[in-house]
Formats: sequence, C-alpha cells, structure tokens
Amino acid sequence: QKEVEQDPGPLSVPEGAIVSLNCTYSNSAFQYFMWYRQYSRKGPELLMYTYSSGNKEDGRFTAQVDKSSKYISLFIRDSQPSDSATYLCAMRLGGGTSYGKLTFGQGTILTVHP
Amino acid sequence: GAGVSQSPSNKVTEKGKDVELRCDPISGHTALYWYRQSLGQGLEFLIYFQGNSAPDKSGLPSDRFSAERTGGSVSTLTIQRTQQEDSAVYLCASSLTTGTILGYGYTFGSGTRLTVV
Repeated sequence: QKEVEQDPGPLSVPEGAIVSLNCTYSNSAFQYFMWYRQYSRKGPELLMYTYSSGNKEDGRFTAQVDKSSKYISLFIRDSQPSDSATYLCAMRLGGGTSYGKLTFGQGTILTVHP
Repeated sequence: GAGVSQSPSNKVTEKGKDVELRCDPISGHTALYWYRQSLGQGLEFLIYFQGNSAPDKSGLPSDRFSAERTGGSVSTLTIQRTQQEDSAVYLCASSLTTGTILGYGYTFGSGTRLTVV
C-alpha cells in the first residue's frame, strides 16, 4: 500500500463547476501538506501548502486538512479551462534527516471543458 | 538563474549505455532534490542534497544510479548501464532550505524525458 493514495481520475467537469480533489495517507508523522499543479510537459508548481488540520483559502482554491482522518482535500471554485492539468498532493515529515523529502500522490488528471 | 534549469530536455539512449542528467538550481537555493515520474505515476523521490551532502539517498533504485552536487550548485544524476525500466521523466527541484517556511515548497524544473530503447 502506498503511503499517499490519490484517485488518478481522469476527472472531467464543465466550466464553472466546483472541483473536489482528495488524498488519503497512512503516515501520521506527516506534518506539512501541499498541492501542486502540473501542466503537460512541465514541472509541478506549488499551489497551496498547509500545516496541521484546518482550512486555507487562496482565491478560488481552498485546501483542507483533517489529520484525525488522514485526509486532505483541494477545492476549486468556478473552475476554468485553464485549470485543466494534473493535480498532485504532497506531504512531508515535521523533522528528522528526511524531512526535506516530499511524498506525492499519483496525481489526478482534471479537464475543465467550456 | 530565474528558474531551475535541466538538461537535456529529452534524451534517447540505447539499453546498456550510461547517461548524465544535469540540474542547475535557482541561485542561492541550498537544497536540491531529484524525483522520477513514470507515465501515469506520481513523483518518486530519488535523493536530496543540502549543500553538497546528501542526507537522504534512500530513493535511488539501484547502484546503477548515483548523483553528486558540486559547489553547492549544479547537480548531476548518472544512470549507468541503462535499462528500459529507467525510461521516465527525471525532475529536479530546489528550495532555499529544508528548515524554513520558504522551503516547504519546491521550485521544479521542466524535467529530462529519458527514453531507453
């Protein structure tokens, strides 16, 4: 079993829809949680990061972390065709020699059609 | 530089040959990371550097893989005696440091797409 599980989709939604992307994880030592967006043939770019449980909002994006359930989510409101990409969740430990390492989910392919 | 630069962007090599992949991080970034992304898969950690030392190289798949970093800047990932299962996109990323809030997010390069035929 992978440490981080993410439904690969693909997910196809109409423009303007609310998109919900999710990851579950098994290692309770993960402390920092991130969402990356990756366009085709590009490297991932950081969208959101959060620490511990709770919500964080940035424009049309909201990240949620529920550490008790080991579950994180990314919501995209008023989705646009330009949001079409692969979305990767990532997480890291709070300390230790390996705390620079991110553990990624498999990525969810999202298509927003006009 | 303005971003993380990787070269070559594409590499086709014959099975059994050695390849070198280069990463030039953002100037001043002390932490550098190598990941591998296979088709339809997430990113698989390979190794990370803090300065010139590698505190964690646990993700290197076999002894055919090695990496070094010199001068706290450029890093080279070397794959010896390449196999077809080595075909993937090799991504490099850098961050200011592993220990501050600014280091929580990496800046990735666009990757080297390696195809072993």
